[in-house]
Amino acid sequence: DIQVTQSPSFLSASVGDRVTITCRASQDITSYLAWYQQKPGKAPKLLIYAASTLQSGVPSRFSGSGSGTEFTLTITSLQPEDSATYYCQQLHSYPLTFGGGTKVEIK
Amino acid sequence: EVQLLESGGGLVQPGGSLRLSCAASGFTFSSYTMPWVRQAPGKGLEWVAAISGSGDDTFYADSVKGRFTISRDNGKNTLYLQMNSLRADDTAVYYCAKSAGTTMYFGNWGQGTLVTVSS
Repeated sequence: DIQVTQSPSFLSASVGDRVTITCRASQDITSYLAWYQQKPGKAPKLLIYAASTLQSGVPSRFSGSGSGTEFTLTITSLQPEDSATYYCQQLHSYPLTFGGGTKVEIK
Repeated sequence: EVQLLESGGGLVQPGGSLRLSCAASGFTFSSYTMPWVRQAPGKGLEWVAAISGSGDDTFYADSVKGRFTISRDNGKNTLYLQMNSLRADDTAVYYCAKSAGTTMYFGNWGQGTLVTVSS
């Protein structure tokens, strides 16, 4: 099974900051990675798929990069509404696996 | 507009059974592999199971294999999850989601249905 490890598990940043979340896969998953945002009490929302493709309607301050085993989600200018938990997911092979999540807090 | 509406959650005793349903609309249901994903209280996301568009192929997480069965009725545009031998650690919000065909990222999610396993 492919393990997916996210870091950090928590981060606190100010409005306007650049924020980076990392996701590492235990084996090569090429670009089969997605990123989601989840707010309390809500279903997850797809942000990025194929490692770097922005889902329609998602603000351009969100971007994804990486391939193989190391991936990043970047928020270039953090906004108050970006307070949420972010998850990566590998879709290379079953069983599908999610990272443990990164909770982003606005200072 | 894609809509996914889960139902069937509730309180069940350990060892009991429950069947979840997910009514889908707004897309050609039979063309999409469909998953169930769950989230225990205060925890992260866990993929549970998936079924191909035809229903011929099913996939399960090790944690539910042999206890849960995913199925679908393409005539009714409905996805199911039959859960047997339920345990306390199955307590979670269960989401159905829509994949991108056979590529398993999830662009649409239901609102979730809560399953609580407790005596």
